Amino acid sequence: KAGVTQTPRYLIKTRGQQVTLSCSPISGHRSVSWYQQTPGQGLQFLFEYFSETQRNKGNFPGRFSGRQFSNSRSEMNVSTLELGDSALYLCASSLHRQGISNTGELFFGEGSRLTVL
Amino acid sequence: AQRVTQPEKLLSVFKGAPVELKCNYSYSGSPELFWYVQYSRQRLQLLLRHISRESIKGFTADLNKGETSFHLKKPFAQEEDSAMYYCALRGNYGQNFVFGPGTRLSVLP
Repeated sequence: KAGVTQTPRYLIKTRGQQVTLSCSPISGHRSVSWYQQTPGQGLQFLFEYFSETQRNKGNFPGRFSGRQFSNSRSEMNVSTLELGDSALYLCASSLHRQGISNTGELFFGEGSRLTVL
Repeated sequence: AQRVTQPEKLLSVFKGAPVELKCNYSYSGSPELFWYVQYSRQRLQLLLRHISRESIKGFTADLNKGETSFHLKKPFAQEEDSAMYYCALRGNYGQNFVFGPGTRLSVLP
């Protein structure tokens, strides 16, 4: 079974630009969550999508958005990039919604490392 | 509000020594607690969850509701235990995970 796949793995943008990151969950998994990982803050929850609907949202500005497609693949978009958006963006999938999964296990991708100059 | 704290950013121990990674949480209900681990050049993965009360790779963790803690322990550390460890909390009612800032464990030879 293929793991969670994130693309691109690395990207460099400049302030003011926008970026779109993609995540393909494990086959059969319907929940996709996004996290921002930085050395100072650790993993910060961005949002969770399940059945093409955003189910939970973290405390991030509206510049951060996402969506999920019918095949459960998800994209997140960051507009008007700021230097502070430089981070590793992790995607995690699970069979059920995070909050009700029996095992509580999240399967993470390798991440997309975004550098904003 | 849900919150997870891990007071140590870095913990260094010698091989064969006991290790304890601290985790404290704040949550008004009855949370579920987890430990996730990220080995070098590997993905973040689940190590153990309090509800299953299991020992994984020699690690155990006990949920202490009185002290609101979920410390991770291993009696004899191995070099392959060197990794980044994250404590995570999942609240009730369909809430998402909240992760702590992480502790980097370095097991010295």
